Amino acid sequence: QTVVTQEPSLTVSPGGTVTLTCASSTGAVTSGYYPNWFQQKPGQAPRALIYSTSNKHSWTPARFSGSLLGGKAALTLSGVQPEDEAEYYCLLYYGGAVVFGGGTKLTVL
Amino acid sequence: QITLKESGPTLVKPTQTLTLTCTFSGFSLSTSGVGVGWIRQPPGKALEWLALIYWDDDKRYSPSLKSRLTITKDTSKNQVVLTMTNMDPVDTATYYCAHRYGSGSFFGYWGQGTLVTVSS
Repeated sequence: QTVVTQEPSLTVSPGGTVTLTCASSTGAVTSGYYPNWFQQKPGQAPRALIYSTSNKHSWTPARFSGSLLGGKAALTLSGVQPEDEAEYYCLLYYGGAVVFGGGTKLTVL
Repeated sequence: QITLKESGPTLVKPTQTLTLTCTFSGFSLSTSGVGVGWIRQPPGKALEWLALIYWDDDKRYSPSLKSRLTITKDTSKNQVVLTMTNMDPVDTATYYCAHRYGSGSFFGYWGQGTLVTVSS
């Protein structure tokens, strides 16, 4: 069974920069896994942020960016705002099936 | 404007079959490249992808749940239906449907979700 692993939790100061990563149990993540990133706040449905590694949706704030880093997919938040405190999920594509990561709880303190 | 909304029972008994309907607007499931997926989230836990159906009736299922899932579409009604057999208390979760379109983009638009509790 394929497992997608994210950091369980991260803490960042307002105005700071933080990078969340997404690893695959099958090996290095490449663009062919079409990494997607989602933000979820308590009591809300997830909101899509990034697709196909680094592409932003029209509603995605400029401070969010996606990339590949050291064999993983990465989501970087630059100039973190208090409202960025949330759970973040990555999704990877495995030739028809998709798998979500376990999520990273981002705390802004 | 793309919207999706899930509907179905809020409570099912163990061993019963769950049937959920996703009713959507703002797009057509007969348009090339479009898909609708189902994702669930147990209380306090992570998202789990369940199934996807595409405009051409291609269907994809989570390998771990494939034997229990069936996804169908009714293009004329703008609906996608998910059935899950042999429900168990561990299947208690919020179930979401979501829109998929375009190369590499998954689930850009989501429904509000519906909480399904499995209990006798």
